[in-house]
Amino acid sequence: KAGVTQTPRYLIKTRGQQVTLSCSPISGHRSVSWYQQTPGQGLQFLFEYFSETQRNKGNFPGRFSGRQFSNSRSEMNVSTLELGDSALYLCASSLAFGGRGYTFGSGTRLTVV
Amino acid sequence: AQKVTQAQTEISVVEKEDVTLDCVYETRDTTYYLFWYKQPPSGELVFLIRRNSFDEQNEISGRYSWNFQKSTSSFNFTITASQVVDSAVYFCALSRGGETSGSRLTFGEGTQLTVNP
Repeated sequence: KAGVTQTPRYLIKTRGQQVTLSCSPISGHRSVSWYQQTPGQGLQFLFEYFSETQRNKGNFPGRFSGRQFSNSRSEMNVSTLELGDSALYLCASSLAFGGRGYTFGSGTRLTVV
Repeated sequence: AQKVTQAQTEISVVEKEDVTLDCVYETRDTTYYLFWYKQPPSGELVFLIRRNSFDEQNEISGRYSWNFQKSTSSFNFTITASQVVDSAVYFCALSRGGETSGSRLTFGEGTQLTVNP
């Protein structure tokens, strides 16, 4: 059974650009959550999607957005990148909204220069 | 608001020593879930255990054991006879209970465990 797949694994972008990260959940999992991990702020919740709808949102500016497709795959987008957006972005999937079994992917390491 | 505190930033032990990682949480919810995750250098968060707020039975799984004490809001994790492969960052996390609360996890700061040969 394939795990949570995040692409790309590494990304280097220039300040002011935008970036799109992808997450494919475990087959059958319908809920996808995104987290940002930085040395200063630790692991912080970005948002959660279920049935193509954003159900929960963390305390991040509007530059951070996401979406979920009918096959449960999810993308997150960051526009107008700032140096502080450099982080490891982790995606987690679970069977259902409110499901308590979260499986994480290996993350996308974004570096903004 | 929910909060998780892992007071130990770094722990270094010698192989075969027992080591306990501390976790203290704050929540106003009566129903909640507690988790431990391990993050090796590869970056992936590896699920170790989940406990709900009604289940205070402590558990042992191989070299791992967990001590959940609601009275002190603590959920500590012990590795017995540590091995070099246990070296990683360990995170304690908390989520709200209830079907409509979603899957949002609040993480502690993490504890870097280094097991030296």
